[in-house]
This record gives sequence, structure tokens and C-alpha cells, in this order.
Amino acid sequence: DIVMTQSPDSLAVSLGERATINCKSSQSVLFSSNSKNYLAWYQQKPGQAPKLLIYWASTRESGVPDRFSGSGSGTDFTLTISSLQAEDVAVYYCQQYYSPPFTFGPGTKVDIK
Amino acid sequence: QLQLQESGPGLVKPSETLSLTCSVSGDSISRSTYYWGWVRQPPGKGLEWIATFYYGGRTFYNPSLKSRLTISVDTSKNQFSLKLSYVTAADTAVYFCARVFRIGPIVAATPGYFQHWGQGTLVIVSS
Repeated sequence: DIVMTQSPDSLAVSLGERATINCKSSQSVLFSSNSKNYLAWYQQKPGQAPKLLIYWASTRESGVPDRFSGSGSGTDFTLTISSLQAEDVAVYYCQQYYSPPFTFGPGTKVDIK
Repeated sequence: QLQLQESGPGLVKPSETLSLTCSVSGDSISRSTYYWGWVRQPPGKGLEWIATFYYGGRTFYNPSLKSRLTISVDTSKNQFSLKLSYVTAADTAVYFCARVFRIGPIVAATPGYFQHWGQGTLVIVSS
């Protein structure tokens, strides 16, 4: 199984400041035949279902604000919120869809400082 | 507009079978080019993938749950269902259904990311 880890467990950032979340997979999720990283990011607000933010490690889902960006390749990935807004308070999860079982990271909680 | 809605008993006794249904509107499970799936989340914890299927194609199961899992489709109602047998308190969770992006052509497709989610339904396993 591919194990996903995230760091930090939680972080508090001032409004308008940058938030950076890291995700690491226990093996590469880069598919060589298409050069795509099989990695997605989700945002989950309290009491709500997760919402897809980023797929293929760096492609923003339609309607997602451009302050959210994803980067990385292979085993190391980053979700960046360039200018934190109050509505971004949530738990963020990474997930690999490279091979089953399709595993999620443990989540990173983002709060306002 | 795509909508998914989970339904089922909110309380199940230990050793019994948990049964949930996902009702889909805005897309047809049998004619869709997408996969469909289930994810669960124990209270206060993270997300766990349960299963993903393509109508008329392959179903992928979480090995940790496979022996207790049954996934089925009712095309007449445009619904898909999950049955999890011999439940314990560890199966207490919010259960989400979702539409899953399909990667590649149908003949060689694999499931991708969870693109659209239902709101989730809480199932408590307790006597």
C-alpha cells in the first residue's frame, strides 16, 4: 500500500499570509507513460463533505480560487494558499490514485492566527 | 447539475449488516463515463477509501474491507448501494458516496480523483 503522510498536522496563519502544506507518498505516484502525478488535494470544512481542489498534483479544479496551487512530483508534494482568507479555514487532505488501495493523507488543519 | 445523496439507517447493531444507498441525479450511472465510489470518515478522524466501480466494468475494493463488502447498482432508480457485513464499533463513520474521474479509455480505464461528493451520512454501530 502507498502510505501518505502530511506535515504539519496543523498550522495557524494570519489573514493574507501564505499557508504551505506538505504531502509525501511512500512510493512515487508519477506514472511514467503519461508523466502525470496521480495526486489530488481536497478541502474539508467542518460538517461538510470534502471538496476537490487540485488534481494531477497541480491542476486546479474549475471554480477553485487561484490562491490555491499545487506543486511537486514523484513522492513530495505541496499545497500552497498564497493569501489565506477566512473561508479557507478547513482540513486539507492529499490522496493518491496511482494504485489501490487509494489512500489519503491524515489531514492538515488550517486556522487563522 | 450533479447531485449525490446518501441514505440509510443511522444506527446499526454490532455483527449486523450496514446498508447504504447513493441516489444520483444529473448523471446516469449506467451511461456515465465516470466511476463511482464510497469513502468513509470516523468521527474526528481522516478519510478512508472503501470501493470504486465502473458500471459494467471492474470494481476496486479496499482489501481491509473486501471480505465484508458488497457493491451493487440499481439502474432503474439510478442508485448504487453499499453493504458492509459483520459491523463493529470501528465501522462507525460518516459514509460519503462520490463520482470519480475516469482515467484513460473505457477498455483500459482506471479510477482517478473523487470529483464530486455527496453530503455524507453518519452511521453509528451500537447495541
